Amino acid sequence: GQNIDQPTEMTATEGAIVQINCTYQTSGFNGLFWYQQHAGEAPTFLSYNVLDGLEEKGRFSSFLSRSKGYSYLLLKELQMKDSASYLCAVHVLTGGGNKLTFGTGTQLKVEL
Amino acid sequence: NAGVTQTPKFQVLKTGQSMTLQCAQDMNHEYMSWYRQDPGMGLRLIHYSVGAGITDQGEVPNGYNVSRSTTEDFPLRLLSAAPSQTSVYFCASSYSPGSAGQGEQYFGPGTRLTVT
Repeated sequence: GQNIDQPTEMTATEGAIVQINCTYQTSGFNGLFWYQQHAGEAPTFLSYNVLDGLEEKGRFSSFLSRSKGYSYLLLKELQMKDSASYLCAVHVLTGGGNKLTFGTGTQLKVEL
Repeated sequence: NAGVTQTPKFQVLKTGQSMTLQCAQDMNHEYMSWYRQDPGMGLRLIHYSVGAGITDQGEVPNGYNVSRSTTEDFPLRLLSAAPSQTSVYFCASSYSPGSAGQGEQYFGPGTRLTVT
């Protein structure tokens, strides 16, 4: 099976930078997704990392280390609208299937 | 494009009743999946399909059936509803995860189901 860990809650200040970590243990690892989910809404895609390294997309960046089973999502210049749950999801590709397993999510609160 | 649509948005069932949650997508995605989301549990995969006529189980398949007769539709059937199935259900579609286009999953708006 898969074991995915991310902090339950984080609080940060508007305009600051926050890093949300995700660690995983799995077989058949193929890549890692990050999704954002506002309360009462569906998740929306942020990033997908397959190779080691940092990928930057505007204010959001995502990092992956396959050897360490570790990823993080970096949010810069935080805005109030960034208050949401951030979900990491491991993509597994094995003889048993092609599927995503989600962590429990990190609830980020951005304060003034 | 309507994207991924789900009906109904809200549903209340009595224990033992059966029903079908509908999911449709108009993006010609081969990969579709059903998740349930409960407080503190994250999204858990119920069933998924890699194409018409092919389905497979996820983490929590018991009590649910699926079929995929067309590329567009992927209904989820609750055979005999139980209070433990009270949850928010999300349907998602994508190109096959890991393929060109990254397999970004597009989620429907969700169905909020209460079983009493």
